[in-house]
Amino acid sequence: GAVVSQHPSRVICKSGTSVKIECRSLDFQATTMFWYRQFPKQSLMLMATSNEGSKATYEQGVEKDKFLINHASLTLSTLTVTSAHPEDSSFYICSARTGTGSNSPLHFGNGTRLTVT
Amino acid sequence: AQKITQTQPGMFVQEKEAVTLDCTYDTSDPSYGLFWYKQPSSGEMIFLIYQGSYDQQNATEGRYSLNFQKARKSANLVISASQLGDSAMYFCAMREPSTGGFKTIFGAGTRLFVKA
Repeated sequence: GAVVSQHPSRVICKSGTSVKIECRSLDFQATTMFWYRQFPKQSLMLMATSNEGSKATYEQGVEKDKFLINHASLTLSTLTVTSAHPEDSSFYICSARTGTGSNSPLHFGNGTRLTVT
Repeated sequence: AQKITQTQPGMFVQEKEAVTLDCTYDTSDPSYGLFWYKQPSSGEMIFLIYQGSYDQQNATEGRYSLNFQKARKSANLVISASQLGDSAMYFCAMREPSTGGFKTIFGAGTRLFVKA
């Protein structure tokens, strides 16, 4: 089955530093990937849609200069949390579809738990 | 405005019994897709079942079935013969058109507890 790999699974960083999270589609090409954020005991909130070869589309309220997204190839999208602060501590999870049909579900990575101290 | 509503923060069910998790949605687009995902405590998101807006029959996948009532805009998940391993968070989601394509939005989730 389709596999989405996300790395790292956990990261602890100091306030003010930047953190890069990678999302790879292992056995399919993904022109579009989706980045979600999930706070404890809450739902998944779509942050942005990552588009291969073009700029990401950010959801309202998400700072594009703080959450940099790069989708340089058909199998890799990266999310960089710049100048991280404790309020950025969250569970970040990426996803992609294997097909374009409306019934094609999202396949998720295992997520990255970011803790900013 | 909230587009996916899951009104049950938590649900309990006895092992081997059936349970229904509620989901209502709001969209003006005639073409949409509805999904249910399971999230165990490990955090991974597991796809369970899909229902298309034009599908005439309710979707079924093993012990999972979707009670789709289009006029009422509801897409409830029914889990039959509950197992201890079904204890998890369950999210209802809707795929809808957005700028440049489609996006999937999620409800607040329902935490299911299966009792032995």
